[in-house]
Amino acid sequence: DQQVKQNSPSLSVQEGRISILNCDYTNSMFDYFLWYKKYPAEGPTFLISISSIKDKNEDGRFTVFLNKSAKHLSLHIVPSQPGDSAVYFCAASRTGAGSYQLTFGKGTKLSVIP
Amino acid sequence: EPEVTQTPSHQVTQMGQEVILRCVPISNHLYFYWYRQILGQKVEFLVSFYNNEISEKSEIFDDQFSVERPDGSNFTLKIRSTKLEDSAMYFCASSVGRSGNTIYFGEGSWLTVV
Repeated sequence: DQQVKQNSPSLSVQEGRISILNCDYTNSMFDYFLWYKKYPAEGPTFLISISSIKDKNEDGRFTVFLNKSAKHLSLHIVPSQPGDSAVYFCAASRTGAGSYQLTFGKGTKLSVIP
Repeated sequence: EPEVTQTPSHQVTQMGQEVILRCVPISNHLYFYWYRQILGQKVEFLVSFYNNEISEKSEIFDDQFSVERPDGSNFTLKIRSTKLEDSAMYFCASSVGRSGNTIYFGEGSWLTVV
């Protein structure tokens, strides 16, 4: 039951270019979306989030776009840096339904090549 | 920066044995969580805990699992009789509020059931 899907297991990008990580969801009850970053042997670290009432949220080099009609969100990293190399997880929750548990995607491993 | 700490970092146990995973959440946090990640799969929610009681739990969190906060600082996950399929990385997390952007994850406890 994959309610949150990250269809690209890996992505390689040249340093300085844009990285675009994609995420699709199936549950229309999801109303809050997050991106987490994970390095090996560490726990996930919060990166950026977006509420379903918005279609874009920006924080420095990171921008998240939400397309509710397509049930799709994406994370843009511009410019990409070698330190961005990590696994990126998309997550969603149904806060309007009183549920704050996070449903994660399987992750996309980003490699930024110097 | 304050962090969530987990012990042990790695434990090997025989099938049928009881296991206790320990966590020290960030001191002023009020919400506590356990998530797990089976190798190669997504991070999955197990349980959330607030005000000394379970506030949400997933289907995975069956009668074999229990959580408690025995002394006001530690937050433990007990698996009563481990099965092979319990082998996973278990992440403890804590937050001030319930929203996902405030959740801090520990580095994980890797459980191997043999």
